[in-house]
Amino acid sequence: GAVVSQHPSRVICKSGTSVKIECRSLDFQATTMFWYRQFPKQSLMLMATSNEGSKATYEQGVEKDKFLINHASLTLSTLTVTSAHPEDSSFYICSGRGPRAYEQYFGPGTRLTVT
Amino acid sequence: GQNIDQPTEMTATEGAIVQINCTYQTSGFNGLFWYQQHAGEAPTFLSYNVLDGLEEKGRFSSFLSRSKGYSYLLLKELQMKDSASYLCAVSTGFQKLVFGTGTRLLVSP
Repeated sequence: GAVVSQHPSRVICKSGTSVKIECRSLDFQATTMFWYRQFPKQSLMLMATSNEGSKATYEQGVEKDKFLINHASLTLSTLTVTSAHPEDSSFYICSGRGPRAYEQYFGPGTRLTVT
Repeated sequence: GQNIDQPTEMTATEGAIVQINCTYQTSGFNGLFWYQQHAGEAPTFLSYNVLDGLEEKGRFSSFLSRSKGYSYLLLKELQMKDSASYLCAVSTGFQKLVFGTGTRLLVSP
């Protein structure tokens, strides 16, 4: 149980375009989802906390107008990278808070490459 | 600020025991997690410690000392499939996780 999916797994886009990444909790309801970014050989950095039905809370240094997060239902959160640039190329991972409050279940990640 | 330190890389032999250390200094503490991450994949949960002491789960054990800001992950009877990165993460409050840089473990035959 506690499975999180992400779509797409890989995406290549041109500089200046927007990309949407979906994060779904398949067998549990996630009132809170988290979005992370991971650069090569680095650890996961929390970008934002997404609560169902309310605005996301962004970490310091993360541009909320560039990384749009929508958490419209208990099983779906989306991250849209707007006007993508090559420096946005990274591995984006979401997680959902599980039935036990301290647990987070991670999605398989989305590899974004901006050319 | 938040600071979580782990060794960058470790090597060990199949069948051996390896201990991966993690020291932390964070503004809050609601528990410490260990995750395993294979290259290009999402992290998978290994253990959670919120009280001092040792938690054992099969071949994996995790220890926590809150007064020392220290934890370790112990892997026994190493297998080739254990080659991965091991991430130490501290929950600082409101379920926020702050991750260490990760330790890349290479298990050789």
